[in-house]
Amino acid sequence: GDSVTQMEGPVTLSEEAFLTINCTYTATGYPSLFWYVQYPGEGLQLLLKATKADDKGSNKGFEATYRKETTSFHLEKGSVQVSDSAVYFCALVDNYGQNFVFGPGTRLSVLP
Amino acid sequence: DTAVSQTPKYLVTQMGNDKSIKCEQNLGHDTMYWYKQDSKKFLKIMFSYNNKELIINETVPNRFSPKSPDKAHLNLHINSLELGDSAVYFCASSLERGSSEAFFGQGTRLTVV
Repeated sequence: GDSVTQMEGPVTLSEEAFLTINCTYTATGYPSLFWYVQYPGEGLQLLLKATKADDKGSNKGFEATYRKETTSFHLEKGSVQVSDSAVYFCALVDNYGQNFVFGPGTRLSVLP
Repeated sequence: DTAVSQTPKYLVTQMGNDKSIKCEQNLGHDTMYWYKQDSKKFLKIMFSYNNKELIINETVPNRFSPKSPDKAHLNLHINSLELGDSAVYFCASSLERGSSEAFFGQGTRLTVV
């Protein structure tokens, strides 16, 4: 079945550091890929998405590129802020959209 | 207006009880989901429901049952609650199958004592 693998963390960075959270997937066909963010005590919010190969999703300074050849969708941000502290989930939905498959989540803590 | 709303936000109950969690979406979406998030933050799909087609994760105990009175609602009923059912349950919806993102509710923290 479809699956998503991502670094579990926790990841601790200083403010203004560069962030990379790796995500790789296994899926049949051509899934759509997503990054979701969960702030403490809240539900998941869509951060960005890409629906086909070579698409780049971006939002709030975060970006990720859909790499079909390496089946990856790594999340990056050039300069993190304390307010970025959260849990980040990589996810996919297959062509049939029967359900979203989530990675295990990566907890990010940004220190001032 | 909250797009996907769940009630209650917190639920504490004793083992053996039967409880329900309600979910409503005002986005006009066709597909709704229930997810379980454990203490390690792992998200596991429980059900998806699209135009009266229910897709069940076969690992979900039959004590859990979704009920959809209409397209905007997907409630979760749990019978004979067990300690291991303690988790955060998230409802979500999406416009259509495929590339559309899912919108999540705020979650219901269920504690079974």
